[in-house]
Amino acid sequence: RKEVEQDPGPFNVPEGATVAFNCTYSNSASQSFFWYRQDCRKEPKLLMSVYSSGNEDGRFTAQLNRASQYISLLIRDSKLSDSATYLCVVNGLTGGGNKLTFGTGTQLKVEL
Amino acid sequence: NAGVMQNPRHLVRRRGQEARLRCSPMKGHSHVYWYRQLPEEGLKFMVYLQKENIIDESGMPKERFSAEFPKEGPSILRIQQVVRGDSAAYFCASSPAKGQNTEAFFGQGTRLTVV
Repeated sequence: RKEVEQDPGPFNVPEGATVAFNCTYSNSASQSFFWYRQDCRKEPKLLMSVYSSGNEDGRFTAQLNRASQYISLLIRDSKLSDSATYLCVVNGLTGGGNKLTFGTGTQLKVEL
Repeated sequence: NAGVMQNPRHLVRRRGQEARLRCSPMKGHSHVYWYRQLPEEGLKFMVYLQKENIIDESGMPKERFSAEFPKEGPSILRIQQVVRGDSAAYFCASSPAKGQNTEAFFGQGTRLTVV
């Protein structure tokens, strides 16, 4: 089983749609969780951290379910500029430090 | 406050040559990570370093690849005797001292092409 699993997509949605991405992780000892965004051939950039209580940033909502080892990202009122690959990232503390493990990413294409 | 700096941005090497990729972390960051991204694939963890220490190299190929993060200067990822399959984007990320909810910040990557 992969450490972090995501549906690779692509998700093709019309502008204004709501879209949800899911991610599961295998290490129950994982400590912190993030969503990163990667545009084509660019470096990944932090989109938002994911907290147990759930958190929202504008049109983006992230949720964590520790019991099910499941993370989600919801994008409301999607824009053309949201087209990118969304990476689920899990931080499993190792050797006294951090090891960030990335899922392979879910590709989103927002269309007119 | 400069971000994570990687150089060169693009590197072309002939098969059998050595490739050296450099990464200067953000100011105040003592943790460095290297990731490789093959065309059309996800980011694969290679190695995690702190100053003068390799913490986790479970993603490094056993041969030809090495990494260091000296007390002074940038982190270096070295690939000896490159082969075509080494062609990829190599991303470096840095984070501050350990702790929960510590995100990593990425450099723009080095795109290695082996011809």
